[in-house]
Amino acid sequence: SQQGEEDPQALSIQEGENATMNCSYKTSINNLQWYRQNSGRGLVHLILIRSNEREKHSGRLRVTLDTSKKSSSLLITASRAADTASYFCATDASVDYGQNFVFGPGTRLSVLP
Amino acid sequence: NAGVTQTPKFRVLKTGQSMTLLCAQDMNHEYMYWYRQDPGMGLRLIHYSVGEGTTAKGEVPDGYNVSRLKKQNFLLGLESAAPSQTSVYFCASSYRVRAGGFNEQFFGPGTRLTVL
Repeated sequence: SQQGEEDPQALSIQEGENATMNCSYKTSINNLQWYRQNSGRGLVHLILIRSNEREKHSGRLRVTLDTSKKSSSLLITASRAADTASYFCATDASVDYGQNFVFGPGTRLSVLP
Repeated sequence: NAGVTQTPKFRVLKTGQSMTLLCAQDMNHEYMYWYRQDPGMGLRLIHYSVGEGTTAKGEVPDGYNVSRLKKQNFLLGLESAAPSQTSVYFCASSYRVRAGGFNEQFFGPGTRLTVL
């Protein structure tokens, strides 16, 4: 099973609303990262939050990390149609093939004009 | 500064054919990765490299081989393509792991491969 799993799988909102996506993971981590993928394109790094940080901001993005609950959330405020994309969380994990970086299945966000 | 580039962008193969995907990065990154992404799924790691001349297996390595003869290039080979290898392939690179964990990965635009 995935180290990181996003919730919900899909989210549809109106332009101007806020979008919240959650990520849960299973084992202790050094950091957690969020990435965005526009349709048919490669992933783009959004933000990295370290295990000793609780909240981080970047423009309209706000990421929180709760290591006691092994969860993180990504909040996009005042969403725009251009925010329509898939969003993935990724964490380091000890997996069968060694210590590595594992992506969740993603949340598909649709922002309707 | 081109970042991470991948060639080709699209390819159609017949079952049993072979091909090589090329990934190049100009950021002097130590680590490079090959992922595959199937519809509605996240990324699955195929192989990775922590430095020139070294490679390691990821989550789904069967049917693929890799080589990293130069620091800036990471090649992914399919010796005998199968329909199950139809996917979008992404290459990524990053600086080496440090005390704070894995660094940001930079991704290429992807190669869309169809095996008939």
